[in-house]
Amino acid sequence: DVKVTQSSRYLVKRTGEKVFLECVQDMDHENMFWYRQDPGLGLRLIYFSYDVKMKEKGDIPEGYSVSREKKERFSLILESASTNQTSMYLCASSRAGEQYFGPGTRLTVT
Amino acid sequence: AQSVTQLDSHVSVSEGTPVLLRCNYSSSYSPSLFWYVQHPNKGLQLLLKYTSAATLVKGINGFEAEFKKSETSFHLTKPSAHMSDAAEYFCVVTGGDTGFQKLVFGTGTRLLVSP
Repeated sequence: DVKVTQSSRYLVKRTGEKVFLECVQDMDHENMFWYRQDPGLGLRLIYFSYDVKMKEKGDIPEGYSVSREKKERFSLILESASTNQTSMYLCASSRAGEQYFGPGTRLTVT
Repeated sequence: AQSVTQLDSHVSVSEGTPVLLRCNYSSSYSPSLFWYVQHPNKGLQLLLKYTSAATLVKGINGFEAEFKKSETSFHLTKPSAHMSDAAEYFCVVTGGDTGFQKLVFGTGTRLLVSP
């Protein structure tokens, strides 16, 4: 069965902290994605990666970076968290168009 | 650029009545289209997908959608709503100038089902 896991379901951080969100997939997929989900805005793509060490900016990359050192793991990094980054973060992986999503991490920045 | 418009932010139905969730898309190329569902506190699950084969696509849990190129629509339907269908639904387009791996999401439609 397809599985995408995210390191935390809920996270509370302070403004200015460096935050790491981890995502792991067990399907040997080449492509991985990070989205944020906000009410009334749907899902917006932050970054994606189509291979190890390869990454591309999505629609809203400002304030974020990513790391993909191994095929199964894709990390989202908030270099200096701000309150406007309070959101639900969803990770996904894919091989041939269809994306499989993790359960999400609800991040609150205070 | 690709885009999708979900015409209703909320839809309310009674259990046992039909469901219609509307989606219009914009694409310069032949798109692939998806519907995803998100139940409260759960991740997104694929309901169905259209990838240029049959225009009427059947998905899980009795849902189906029809691709109408002339109307640029991909509406989601179900003949009879069940309480467990209450969730948020997202229409998604990919392909063409955004690349086949990049999804563009609509803003979502929340389906409310009353007894």
